[in-house]
Amino acid sequence: DQQVKQNSPSLSVQEGRISILNCDYTNSMFDYFLWYKKYPAEGPTFLISISSIKDKNEDGRFTVFLNKSAKHLSLHIVPSQPGDSAVYFCAASGRGANFGNEKLTFGTGTRLTIIP
Amino acid sequence: DAGVIQSPRHEVTEMGQEVTLRCKPISGHDYLFWYRQTMMRGLELLIYFNNNVPIDDSGMPEDRFSAKMPNASFSTLKIQPSEPRDSAVYFCASRIRQGFHYGYTFGSGTRLTVV
Repeated sequence: DQQVKQNSPSLSVQEGRISILNCDYTNSMFDYFLWYKKYPAEGPTFLISISSIKDKNEDGRFTVFLNKSAKHLSLHIVPSQPGDSAVYFCAASGRGANFGNEKLTFGTGTRLTIIP
Repeated sequence: DAGVIQSPRHEVTEMGQEVTLRCKPISGHDYLFWYRQTMMRGLELLIYFNNNVPIDDSGMPEDRFSAKMPNASFSTLKIQPSEPRDSAVYFCASRIRQGFHYGYTFGSGTRLTVV
């Protein structure tokens, strides 16, 4: 039962254009969402996060949007650069002692390729 | 700070053999997580520890898998006996609570191949 879903295994975008990566979740107890970036032969590294009290968070070229009613979030990268080519993982965490709010539930990842 | 250190980086073993993966978390981090990455399931949580105590091992696939954290600076994930379907990249991560960021830091992973 995949509680965090990334339905696009791969995405190719021209350099300079916008990259949009999507993520859906099923568990309404999730209230904090993160994006991680992973290069080959390295561990994932934190990119950007958003709390459920917000619907948008920006950090430079990266913006994450959250639509709680649709249980959907997206990561926008503008403009896309060759160094952005990597696998991007969406992750979620929840609240409550019984839910285990210390742990992150990850999606399956989307491989982004930026075409020069 | 050397980050989260995992060893070995690569492991090739024969089916039926015991495999031990090792992790040294960042000093001062009070949570340690073991994840497994596969194409089908992405990054799935196997087990995590808080202050060296296992909190949730519901993600451990079978009794063949076991994990220990004898002290704050070392953890092991053991598979005995190993099977080809255990082939994956295993990541260790540690964190200290930093507000909503959660401060996860991942190691570089161990690529396990069981033949």
